[in-house]
Amino acid sequence: GQQVMQIPQYQHVQEGEDFTTYCNSSTTLSNIQWYKQRPGGHPVFLIQLVKSGEVKKQKRLTFQFGEAKKNSSLHITATQTTDVGTYFCAGPINFNKFYFGSGTKLNVKP
Amino acid sequence: ETGVTQTPRHLVMGMTNKKSLKCEQHLGHNAMYWYKQSAKKPLELMFVYSLEERVENNSVPSRFSPECPNSSHLFLHLHTLQPEDSALYLCASSQDTGTGSGNTIYFGEGSWLTVV
Repeated sequence: GQQVMQIPQYQHVQEGEDFTTYCNSSTTLSNIQWYKQRPGGHPVFLIQLVKSGEVKKQKRLTFQFGEAKKNSSLHITATQTTDVGTYFCAGPINFNKFYFGSGTKLNVKP
Repeated sequence: ETGVTQTPRHLVMGMTNKKSLKCEQHLGHNAMYWYKQSAKKPLELMFVYSLEERVENNSVPSRFSPECPNSSHLFLHLHTLQPEDSALYLCASSQDTGTGSGNTIYFGEGSWLTVV
């Protein structure tokens, strides 16, 4: 069925290295959202992308929405220990609910 | 402070117990949700309520019974649970149930449930 796939499942990086997580859908998405969940915490909304090819930045985080609106990525430049957590993408699968990807768990070694 | 408050934060219950999880949102939203988070399925949607009416029930076992008395409160009644039901239960709200631009989901801090 219609769903959103996210890779990788886990990523371990050294502090200062870059990190990227990818989200892919088999169908065109009207928009896509990204959330971050710190260890022991709850998911917190980061950003929403709506337009084809859209790129948004939040400090060291860069979010992209593919031209076909079927994929998205989150890139973190020069990771810090504060970036540790699980990053989820979420795409609408019908008119009334979002489907969350399986998440990418990021661990940053100091 | 998320605007969505869940109690209790931690709950240990036996398989024959009956307990309830409570959620309250202070954001004036019209939609409320229950999600289950476990190692097997990171964010699994259980129930969706829009203006106190259930609009989605994702094949959840009947041992989980939701209740939404008004648009600000949501309960999850638990009875005769199984050990595999141990998980983090997250309540969430959004302006409405639509998935259009601008409708973001606000999560509570979750209730950690352990079934023994």
